[in-house]
Amino acid sequence: KQEVTQIPAALSVPEGENLVLNCSFTDSAIYNLQWFRQDPGKGLTSLLLIQSSQREQTSGRLNASLDKSSGRSTLYIAASQPGDSATYLCAVNSNSGYALNFGKGTSLLVTP
Amino acid sequence: KAGVTQTPRYLIKTRGQQVTLSCSPISGHRSVSWYQQTPGQGLQFLFEYFSETQRNKGNFPGRFSGRQFSNSRSEMNVSTLELGDSALYLCASSLGQGIRDTQYFGPGTRLTVL
Repeated sequence: KQEVTQIPAALSVPEGENLVLNCSFTDSAIYNLQWFRQDPGKGLTSLLLIQSSQREQTSGRLNASLDKSSGRSTLYIAASQPGDSATYLCAVNSNSGYALNFGKGTSLLVTP
Repeated sequence: KAGVTQTPRYLIKTRGQQVTLSCSPISGHRSVSWYQQTPGQGLQFLFEYFSETQRNKGNFPGRFSGRQFSNSRSEMNVSTLELGDSALYLCASSLGQGIRDTQYFGPGTRLTVL
């Protein structure tokens, strides 16, 4: 069964800092990997989707990388802002079966 | 385009009752997936519907069921509620590939079972 782990569970940084969120998965036979953002009491917002054949995807200040062989993905946030404060979740689609396996998330706080 | 809508937003039920939650996908999206989110287990996939057919199901008991209508709106039903069913229930819509496509989530329905 695919296990997805996100470290750290919580992170606090001052505004303007660049930061990296980590996601690791146990089964490298994946179809794609998605990063989401969740604000308190709200649903999830899709940030980036990386297909298994891709190494990275970029959207604005966000860059997500994928290393299937090592079972890792990172989400890089440049020049963080207080509005980036949220929980960030990664989710892995495996080749075997049909399921979207989520990590528990990293709770990010960007202080002014 | 309007986003995914879920009704009701909050619900309080007692053990043994049943509940029905509703989800309206983004216009043009034919796939609707349902998820349960709890502090202990995180987000877990319940099932996915496409063109009124359940295409895939997660590892949940038969008390959890759903359906999809011809307009792609979906409902999920939980019968004989248990305390452990208290959770945020999220639905997501996508284009044809279901959970392998970008998922667009609704705001969720917060269910509390007393």
